Amino acid sequence: QVQLQESGPGLVKPSQTLSLTCTVSGASIRIGGYYWSWVRQLPGKGLEWIGKMYYTGATYYNPALESRVTITVDTSQNQFSLNLRSVTAADTAVYYCARPAFSKKDVFEIWGQGTVVTVSS
Amino acid sequence: EIVLSQSPGTLSLSLGEGATLSCRASQSVSSNYLAWYQQKPGQAPRLLIFGASSRATGIPDRFSGSGSGTDFSLTISRLEPEDFAVYYCQQYAQLPLTFGGGTKVEIK
Repeated sequence: QVQLQESGPGLVKPSQTLSLTCTVSGASIRIGGYYWSWVRQLPGKGLEWIGKMYYTGATYYNPALESRVTITVDTSQNQFSLNLRSVTAADTAVYYCARPAFSKKDVFEIWGQGTVVTVSS
Repeated sequence: EIVLSQSPGTLSLSLGEGATLSCRASQSVSSNYLAWYQQKPGQAPRLLIFGASSRATGIPDRFSGSGSGTDFSLTISRLEPEDFAVYYCQQYAQLPLTFGGGTKVEIK
């Protein structure tokens, strides 16, 4: 059974970098055809896709965040990470990592439990 | 970017009633790459429907999806207590992936 678990600081100061890690268990992050994504949910609002990565290191980002986002992979640890730079209060959200149900189709069947990140001084 | 608009914002219904939720896209969603999710407070979204009309594993048959092009619907035939939640549509036809703003189904 594939499980995802987000981890990282729950509080980040404005202008600093938000760093989160998603640990994958029950499957290899190197599985062919599957891109691994980050999605966030702003307080009381809907869902926003941040970006995705393939185990080779290939990445795609949401243009709205692209200038501040980096997603990286550590295949030896079966983890992938999110870095969001120059954060403001508007980046306060629940951050999820997610895996698609199918190869090459970004329909999210498996989600982490989510981690709350607050941006505040 | 494909913008998804969901309506209504809130649906107030009684147990056993049927519900129809709408998702309209700003441009055609190719190959009907449209999914629906259910989210309850404090939980991650749960995949219900993909490909506009295919139920995900373990999803009861009272949930059905339909539509094509720019207009899609999620129907819940008879509301059970566990169905009261927020529902989101998502397109995966092109990047960036986008979600609708959600429809809340609440108990009347």
